[in-house]
Formats: sequence, structure tokens, C-alpha cells
Amino acid sequence: EIVMTQSPATLSVSPGERATLSCRASQSVHSYLAWYQQKPGQAPRLLIYGASTRATGIPARFSGSGSGTEFTLTITSLQSEDFAIYYCQQYDDWAPYTFGQGTKLEIK
Amino acid sequence: EVRLLESGGGLVQPGGSLRLSCEASGFTLDIYAMTWVRQAQGGGMEWVSSISSSGGNTYYADSVKGRFTISRDNSRNTLYLEMNSLRAADTALYFCAKAPYVGNSAFDYWGQGTLVTVSS
Repeated sequence: EIVMTQSPATLSVSPGERATLSCRASQSVHSYLAWYQQKPGQAPRLLIYGASTRATGIPARFSGSGSGTEFTLTITSLQSEDFAIYYCQQYDDWAPYTFGQGTKLEIK
Repeated sequence: EVRLLESGGGLVQPGGSLRLSCEASGFTLDIYAMTWVRQAQGGGMEWVSSISSSGGNTYYADSVKGRFTISRDNSRNTLYLEMNSLRAADTALYFCAKAPYVGNSAFDYWGQGTLVTVSS
């Protein structure tokens, strides 16, 4: 099973600034990497798939990069609605699909 | 608008059973794979099970294999998860999610979840 590790666990950033979230896989997942956003009481939302492709309706301030074992989600010019928990997920070596433990992005 | 609405969660004793449902709207269910993912208190996401668009292929996490059964009724636009021999460790918020296919595909839409609590 591929283990996904996210860092940091909590990230404090001021509105309008940039946030950089990291995700590491225990072995290569090529580009089969997705990022999700989750707010309390809401359904998780797909932000990025294929490591760098924005999902439908996702603003351009969200971008993903990386391949193999190291991945990054960057959110530029943070808006109030961006403060949430973010999860990465690999779907390369699936069954099981595996997720990172999440990064909580909080207002500084 | 794509919508997924889970139901059927609740409080059940250890060893008991529950059947979760996920009603889909806003898209044609029968061309998409469907998945159940659960989230325990404290946040960790765990893939539970997936089913192909036709229902002919099913996949399970080792932690639920032999106890849970995923199925779908495309004519009713509904996905199911039959859960037997429930354990305290199965306590979680259960989400259904859709994907273009089972395998190398992310989950593009999720429901809001239904809470399962296993406790005496």
C-alpha cells in the first residue's frame, strides 16, 4: 500500500498571501495524484487531478505540480473561502486508493 | 447540477448491520464508476469500496472485505453499501463519490456523507 504524507499538518497564512502545501508518496505514483478541499459539514471537492490539471470550475489561483513522489499544491492570493482542510490522494496503485492525513489551512 | 445524497446511517450495535444508499442526480449514473470513502473522527480518509459502471466488477479494502457489499441499481440512480458484522472501528462518516471509471481516476464529485456509529 502506498503511504501518502502531507506537510505541514497546519499552515497559518494571511489572506492575500500564498500558501504552499506538500504531499509525498512512499513510492512513485507518476502523475496519478489528486488534491481535494474539505470544509466543515461539506462534501469534499476535487481541485486538481493528474497532479496539475484543475478540475471543472476551480479558480486559477489553485495550481498543482510535481510527479513521482513529491507534489505541491499552491494557492496564490488566498481568499477567505480557501481556509479549509486539503487532502492529497494517489490513484496509481489503487485498491487501495490512499489519502494523505490532510493539511489544515488556517487564517493567520 | 451533479448531486449525490447519502442516507441510511445511524447508531448500531457491534455485530449489527446497516445498508447505506447514495442517490444520484444531475448525471447518468450508469456510465460512471462509484466509490465509498469513509472518514473517521479526527479526519483520516479511507477508501472502502468501488464498483464499475455496470456493476460487474467490485473492489474492497481489506478492512471490510467479506463484511461489506457494494452494489448499484442504475435504473433507480442509486448506489448501495450493505454493511454486516459491524465493528467499532467502522464508526465514520461515509461518503459516496463518482469517477469516470474504476482505476486510474480521481473522484470528481462527492456527497456530504452519512454518519455510522457502531457502539453498544
